[in-house]
Amino acid sequence: EVQLVESGGGLVQPGGSLRLSCAASGFTFSSYSMNWVRQAPGKGLEWVSYISSSSSTIYYADSVKGRFTISRDNAKNSLYLQMNSLRDEDTAVYYCARDMCGSYCNAFDIWGQGTMVTVSS
Amino acid sequence: QSALTQPASVSGSPGQSITISCTGTSSDVGSYNLVSWYQQHPGKAPKLMIYEVSKRPSGVSNRFSGSKSGNTASLTISGLQAEDEADYYCCSYAGSSTLVVFGGGTKLTVL
Repeated sequence: EVQLVESGGGLVQPGGSLRLSCAASGFTFSSYSMNWVRQAPGKGLEWVSYISSSSSTIYYADSVKGRFTISRDNAKNSLYLQMNSLRDEDTAVYYCARDMCGSYCNAFDIWGQGTMVTVSS
Repeated sequence: QSALTQPASVSGSPGQSITISCTGTSSDVGSYNLVSWYQQHPGKAPKLMIYEVSKRPSGVSNRFSGSKSGNTASLTISGLQAEDEADYYCCSYAGSSTLVVFGGGTKLTVL
């Protein structure tokens, strides 16, 4: 079964750090670009970051640039999001999502179940 | 980069057709045929319904169709069914500086 499973969410104080993980299974992880997308409580979807299959190309939303770092380990079939200097407005469910095309076509066909990140003192 | 503009809500009766619009700019929707649509039921992860403006992934009902004219993309659902009640989000490629922008979402109510 093709599957993505996120982990690592939790409660963190403003200014703190958290590292999210996304474990992939059922497909050749190293052949696909990946994304992180978040959704604040009761709000819409917000794209966070993109990483190409080989990690050669990385993009970030302006709202997280300089604070978040996306990475992947193709040998471990895993995607990561290192989140530093967290703010209240980073509170959200964080989803990892696969782009269905080998490179990029803005089509996120596989999503994880999400992991909740709460930034609060 | 501003979010794409969608109506907050739309509604329709079973069997009817509805269309959800998604208005962007010449920097995103208007410049690229990389518009996708997602369905999200409460408490669930989004599901890809349409990609590259009008293509349907395998397994998605042909009641769902997509189109684009200028800076506005549209999702049409024909033969509305109760299970179509959900939130719908459009998404567009926005160039190498921003990459991806989502719409604010539209809540579809099946009356």
